[in-house]
Formats: sequence, structure tokens, C-alpha cells
Amino acid sequence: SQQGEEDPQALSIQEGENATMNCSYKTSINNLQWYRQNSGRGLVHLILIRSNEREKHSGRLRVTLDTSKKSSSLLITASRAADTASYFCATAPYNNNDMRFGAGTRLTVKP
Amino acid sequence: DVKVTQSSRYLVKRTGEKVFLECVQDMDHENMFWYRQDPGLGLRLIYFSYDVKMKEKGDIPEGYSVSREKKERFSLILESASTNQTSMYLCASSFNREGYGYTFGSGTRLTVV
Repeated sequence: SQQGEEDPQALSIQEGENATMNCSYKTSINNLQWYRQNSGRGLVHLILIRSNEREKHSGRLRVTLDTSKKSSSLLITASRAADTASYFCATAPYNNNDMRFGAGTRLTVKP
Repeated sequence: DVKVTQSSRYLVKRTGEKVFLECVQDMDHENMFWYRQDPGLGLRLIYFSYDVKMKEKGDIPEGYSVSREKKERFSLILESASTNQTSMYLCASSFNREGYGYTFGSGTRLTVV
């Protein structure tokens, strides 16, 4: 069963704008991760946030986690055309061997 | 550069054939996974393994089996391929402890005709 659900399903913005994607999940988690997938390729790990963290940054990426609402958001600042991809959230249990992914948000950044 | 390698990028098989998808990782990861990805459905977990010769069913194991004889290799087997198994198959691996992300292969796009 899918654990994370991303919102919106698709997002189209202009280069330089910020992109925000949201993820909701259903059960308790140990950590939540965001991945990126370029068209037709494998997923690439972007960032991990633990359940006891509220916010994390990595370059132009900012992730927040609200465990009371069972939700997370991924913000990409100053977007570039190269950020065009699908973005997935995934929730991981303690032993890391049973991670579930959402259906993804398709981000298009127009030059 | 650490890698998860899937043996085929594209594969076309006939209905009823036995199909083997191979995945090899060079990171000494304990966990290995097989997902399939379909439009609008995201990634769905088929099987995973947390040790050699160990396997666990994911959410959609029907019609599939797996084999893990060596730590670095995890094979997905379609016993009798059907058209509804046409999909993108993604292999991943990870350490068997909290706090690590998954490393994915490039995927195998399987078409069953």
C-alpha cells in the first residue's frame, strides 16, 4: 500500500520561481525522504529528515516535517529548467527495509 | 562511484515466457528491493530482501518470485509473463539500518507482448 501521497500531481512554473510540493502519509515513521526521478530513469535520493526534526536544508532544497499532521513539504528555491523531473516522498520504518513511495509530483520548470 | 546495475534497459518478452531481471549492487548493502512503476500508481513494492537467501513479500508479489543467493545480487523472476506485467521495474539497495536512503538502478522497461 502506498504510504506517501504527493500534492499536487503536477506543477508548472517559470525559471527562478520557487516550487513547493507536499506529501501526506498515514502511519508513524522513523524518517521521511524525498527523491527525484528524471524521465524514464531511476530515482535519486535528495534529502532525509528524521521524525524528531522539523526542518532541513540542502542547497536550494528545504524540507519540513510536521508529524502531528503527518505531512511534509519540499521547497525548491530559484528553480532551474534542469529541476524538471518527478519528485517522490517516501516513508521509512526503523529498520529501513520496507519503504513506501507516493505517486509523485511532476514538476516542469519553463525557461 | 557506487552503483546499482540492472542488466537490461529495455526488454521485450512474449506472454508465457519466464523472465529474469537481474540487479547487482557494489555497496555491500544488506537490503535489496524490487519495485514496479506504472503511470499514476507510483512505485509499488514487489519483494525485498534484508539478507542472503532471505526474502519478504511486498505489496504486489503475485506473479513474481525472487532469488538472492549472493549479497550483491537480487533477481526478480516472472514465472509466466503476462501483458499486465508490462511496466518499468526498478531495483534499489540500502543499508539495513535507519537513516540511509536507497540507491536505485536505472530501471528496466519490460514489455510483454
